[in-house]
Amino acid sequence: NAGVTQTPKFQVLKTGQSMTLQCAQDMNHEYMSWYRQDPGMGLRLIHYSVGAGITDQGEVPNGYNVSRSTTEDFPLRLLSAAPSQTSVYFCASTQGLAGEGEQFFGPGTRLTVL
Amino acid sequence: LAKTTQPISMDSYEGQEVNITCSHNNIATNDYITWYQQFPSQGPRFIIQGYKTKVTNEVASLFIPADRKSSTLSLPRVSLSDTAVYYCLVANQAGTALIFGKGTTLSVSS
Repeated sequence: NAGVTQTPKFQVLKTGQSMTLQCAQDMNHEYMSWYRQDPGMGLRLIHYSVGAGITDQGEVPNGYNVSRSTTEDFPLRLLSAAPSQTSVYFCASTQGLAGEGEQFFGPGTRLTVL
Repeated sequence: LAKTTQPISMDSYEGQEVNITCSHNNIATNDYITWYQQFPSQGPRFIIQGYKTKVTNEVASLFIPADRKSSTLSLPRVSLSDTAVYYCLVANQAGTALIFGKGTTLSVSS
């Protein structure tokens, strides 16, 4: 199993550009989530999904959109990038209930917005 | 959401036991406590999870007092390879409300 994969590993955007961060998992997990990690802030939940077709907002959803058309994929879209979105983004998946399960994290995408 | 607080950094020597405490005063009845380890340029990795009392696995122990307002991750006999950032996470069972601590950087020296 590849586990959780994320692409790209690095990305530089200009303010106002849009892009999609890709996340895929091959473990048939229902719960998937996106986090951003900033220095000294830990990980903050952006959006999550409890299954295909179901998404919801986390702690810091502004400026980000998600969709979940399949169990495997959970892309994160930045519609109009801002410098405040410069961060490292992690995708994770969990079998069963996320709160009492082990989250498997991807390797991260380092995004810089100029 | 429960606010989580943990020390910013800790230092230790090889072979010592390390205890990292996370306080979560507003923890709810159905919240679980999980600890993750993160190395530079990698995603966090699961260490241990508990709800109450004590949980032990092959790498760590987790102590949770009866009031559940704090939890302590115990790493027995640390080695240089345990140098990493450790995060506590408080989350409800469904994963619809979760808060990570800001992380504790553990430095292990020889």
